[in-house]
Amino acid sequence: AQSVTQPDIHITVSEGASLELRCNYSYGATPYLFWYVQSPGQGLQLLLKYFSGDTLVQGIKGFEAEFKRSQSSFNLRKPSVHWSDAAEYFCAVGAGNYKLTFGKGTLLTVNP
Amino acid sequence: KAGVTQTPRYLIKTRGQQVTLSCSPISGHRSVSWYQQTPGQGLQFLFEYFSETQRNKGNFPGRFSGRQFSNSRSEMNVSTLELGDSALYLCASSPEGSTDTQYFGPGTRLTVL
Repeated sequence: AQSVTQPDIHITVSEGASLELRCNYSYGATPYLFWYVQSPGQGLQLLLKYFSGDTLVQGIKGFEAEFKRSQSSFNLRKPSVHWSDAAEYFCAVGAGNYKLTFGKGTLLTVNP
Repeated sequence: KAGVTQTPRYLIKTRGQQVTLSCSPISGHRSVSWYQQTPGQGLQFLFEYFSETQRNKGNFPGRFSGRQFSNSRSEMNVSTLELGDSALYLCASSPEGSTDTQYFGPGTRLTVL
């Protein structure tokens, strides 16, 4: 069975600083990996996804993520954080069985 | 294209009642999945439907059920509500399921008193 670990429950960064959110997955075969963002009281918005090919994927809002098979990781990065990026971020893995398995999420706070 | 819509957005029920939530997928999408989100358990998969057939089911009691109609719209039902059923229920749609990207609706916030 697949699983996802997001080690950081809460991260605080200053506006303009760089950001890296960690995600580790467990799955025997090649996973399908996603990052979603959720603002308070809202649904999930897709930031980016990895299915195959180039291990560095670009997403919306200036986010990127790198798939590292050897480390079972799919970390999310952004070079310069904006106050509007404050939200909760979820990493998810799909295993081709019609469901996504999510991590517990990382809450991002952005200080002015 | 309109996104995934869920109705109602908010619901308040009392223990023992039942509730039905509705989800309309993105036009052309035939797979609908449901997830429960709570502060303690996070996001958990409930079930997935495609062409009116349930293809996968999460680890929830039989009080949680769902169905899909021929137009791909889906409903989920929770009977004999418990306090612990208070959650945000999210619906997601995708073209065919399996490896497709899932697009989420805004959710239905259910409060059980």
